[in-house]
Order: sequence, then structure tokens, then C-alpha cells
Amino acid sequence: DGGITQSPKYLFRKEGQNVTLSCEQNLNHDAMYWYRQDPGQGLRLIYYSQIVNDFQKGDIAEGYSVSREKKESFPLTVTSAQKNPTAFYLCASSPRMSNPPTGNTIYFGEGSWLTVV
Amino acid sequence: DQQVKQNSPSLSVQEGRISILNCDYTNSMFDYFLWYKKYPAEGPTFLISISSIKDKNEDGRFTVFLNKSAKHLSLHIVPSQPGDSAVYFCAAIYSGAGSYQLTFGKGTKLSVIP
Repeated sequence: DGGITQSPKYLFRKEGQNVTLSCEQNLNHDAMYWYRQDPGQGLRLIYYSQIVNDFQKGDIAEGYSVSREKKESFPLTVTSAQKNPTAFYLCASSPRMSNPPTGNTIYFGEGSWLTVV
Repeated sequence: DQQVKQNSPSLSVQEGRISILNCDYTNSMFDYFLWYKKYPAEGPTFLISISSIKDKNEDGRFTVFLNKSAKHLSLHIVPSQPGDSAVYFCAAIYSGAGSYQLTFGKGTKLSVIP
């Protein structure tokens, strides 16, 4: 079955460490996205990529970095510069914009919990 | 500045009654709106969407109404069931951006009481 796989589900980071969250999709989608959710908050866009080797900053990109070397992979690195990294991180993918969005357009992974210890 | 607002953090409804969740937006460039249901530590589940050229879309128990002049949309769930208890997010898309990047509200926690 096609879908998005995020790993790990739970991750603990010591202060000052960089950590990388994995996101893989086998849907042949061109676009991929990273969102962050804080308790009681909505999802906020960190980075997105519409095509391989290209990505754009979202609303809260500071302290994060991404790469898009392969179509199916969009890893997110949470750097030590991110002051409040403890959050739930969601990866999503979609085709390039062509049709109205429906339930079969935007796919989300199951998320990764990052906690700073 | 929040572009998509859900001003009610929570809502309690009796089973079998109607649940109405509200959402307001400020960016008039948004042209698609979606509602998602989400449980803690899981990805959101798509419920229903509406284009800005429509004022209503219906799918089973779920109906979304869009008032473009008021920049307001609402999700109606009829009849409400205990399994509907979750956090509901309103999200918007500006298709001119060329991708399906979503701008989310903060969510409304719906509790359906048996």
C-alpha cells in the first residue's frame, strides 16, 4: 500500500544535539511538507519542497534544515539552534497543484514526537 | 498574525444532536478549505473540503458551509456520535502558491456525550 512513513515515532534529544527525523513516501508525489504541532496549537509549516533538489521555508523554519535529494525522501533536521524543539512533527506529501484538494490529495504520516531532555 | 482562526477551543454536544464547528480566515487569497479530524500523536484525517466558488459541500453526516463575504466557514456534523470526539482543524490553501501547503487553525476539541 502507498503511504508515508515517519521515523522514529518517539525521539529524545539532549540539549545542543542535532537530530534528524525521517520521512519517506512511496506515492510518487512531487511535493512534501513538514509541520510542527505544539500542545493546544494548530499545525505550522516548517519547510516544503515542490520538487527534488528544491525546498522553501515555511512560517517557522528557524532552527531547522531539510534536504530533498530523492523524490521519496524529505528528512528534517532539528538543529541546536531551535530553542523549543519539543513538539509533534508531521510530514505530508501531495502531487503538484493541479486539481482541487480532496481526501486523496494530501497524505500525512503518523508523526514523530521529539522531546528535549 | 493568525490567518485561520478557530475561536472555540472546545465544544461539548449531546449524542444525536448537531455539532457546529466554526472557522474564520483573514486572507482573501485562500481558495480551498479543508476540515481534518485529529487524535493526539496521530496524523490528521481528512473529512471534507470546499472550494471558494461554492457555498456548501456535503458528505454523509458532514456538511461544510462557506460564507466568503464574511470569511467564515463552519462544519456541521449531524447526528453527532461519540466516535466523533476528537480535535477538529480547519485548514486553508492558496492555490496560487502552486502547492497544497496548508494554513491551519488552532483546532476545536469536540466532545460528544453519550
